[in-house]
Amino acid sequence: SAVISQKPSRDICQRGTSLTIQCQVDSQVTMMFWYRQQPGQSLTLIATANQGSEATYESGFVIDKFPISRPNLTFSTLTVSNMSPEDSSIYLCSVVPRETQYFGPGTRLLVL
Amino acid sequence: GDSVTQMEGPVTLSEEAFLTINCTYTATGYPSLFWYVQYPGEGLQLLLKATKADDKGSNKGFEATYRKETTSFHLEKGSVQVSDSAVYFCALSLSGSARQLTFGSGTQLTVLP
Repeated sequence: SAVISQKPSRDICQRGTSLTIQCQVDSQVTMMFWYRQQPGQSLTLIATANQGSEATYESGFVIDKFPISRPNLTFSTLTVSNMSPEDSSIYLCSVVPRETQYFGPGTRLLVL
Repeated sequence: GDSVTQMEGPVTLSEEAFLTINCTYTATGYPSLFWYVQYPGEGLQLLLKATKADDKGSNKGFEATYRKETTSFHLEKGSVQVSDSAVYFCALSLSGSARQLTFGSGTQLTVLP
């Protein structure tokens, strides 16, 4: 298994500002994933973060809005830029150490 | 493309009742199937999984059997508890990789004492 922590656990932000979410894993993993869970909905994959290369974004998500860093094999950040109320969601990171995906506790973001 | 269809909620049961949450899938290959649970205020936790046809995943009294003939992976529990109140997600990934998960819409379960 994998133990994943995220910071912050929740935040309330103003429209137009940016928030950086951190994800820390207790073991080295090749890929880390960032998901969004909008209120009352299922999870949507934002991007896959590989160490040492650019993140790969899913359709509908762009680097300018959701820049991602992956400086080493245990850490990643996701920034939600120029936020609007539509960005209010839970953001989760996940890893796949051995053919099973494990999720962090999530960051609950409310944009006013 | 691949997809997962889950029984719509919310589902409300009394303690000790029998639980079934239906899940069917569409996939081009031979997927692995998962149930994740999200307790209030928390992230997703893997509940159980099955990687091939006729496999049964089980954990904490929950069970689900991979039925290839009906493309289903229904979640069952014989006697639910108040602590089982959560949102349950069915998900699939293509054979040999759990990296790309496709999730169902989630089913909210509330168990009343």
